[in-house]
Amino acid sequence: GAGVSQSPRYKVAKRGQDVALRCDPISGHVSLFWYQQALGQGPEFLTYFQNEAQLDKSGLPSDRFFAERPEGSVSTLKIQRTQQEDSAVYLCASSPRLAGGVGELFFGEGSRLTVL
Amino acid sequence: AQTVTQSQPEMSVQEAETVTLSCTYDTSESDYYLFWYKQPPSRQMILVIRQEAYKQQNATENRFSVNFQKAAKSFSLKISDSQLGDAAMYFCAYRSPDSNSGYALNFGKGTSLLVTP
Repeated sequence: GAGVSQSPRYKVAKRGQDVALRCDPISGHVSLFWYQQALGQGPEFLTYFQNEAQLDKSGLPSDRFFAERPEGSVSTLKIQRTQQEDSAVYLCASSPRLAGGVGELFFGEGSRLTVL
Repeated sequence: AQTVTQSQPEMSVQEAETVTLSCTYDTSESDYYLFWYKQPPSRQMILVIRQEAYKQQNATENRFSVNFQKAAKSFSLKISDSQLGDAAMYFCAYRSPDSNSGYALNFGKGTSLLVTP
């Protein structure tokens, strides 16, 4: 596709359920980022991949959060045993530049997670 | 960690007028990057303009320009000749120049810009 695609766009989960959010970056982009955006807040960094290598996971809030990008293209963000505080929009961004260059990020439209 | 502060939750401007969005940041680094991103209601974030701290000249991109005051740690965005399509959330963001400080963009909380006809 022409842009970064995220699915599902909307997800409602019961507290305690596991969820998986998918990101299809722009083809050929080496860098991939995940951000969490709570309501009324700016995005917060979760993790960064350079190809298949996860170089920075310092923003993952707990060990319930796990991200992977096994073949250096599609990425999945998994949240285990969801809690209400996990409710947020999860944004994926890709870039043709290492570490995202100088802000050259292409964002998806996000996956809105609501945990009841 | 570097913090980014946007003190204006909401701003309003009339079409064709000029508006300035404020941003301040806190850092001990001498070199860094600053950005303004636009997030329309569809939620797809778009880069508006960027500034490298070692460059004294303020960045401009068509109707968008910045006022970068390094000593004051201030980075405001000026939108000239505002258009209805400029209505969006605007986020100021900071990034360290090298990977030793991590790969994160640090965003402010955003300013919601309303453009009235």
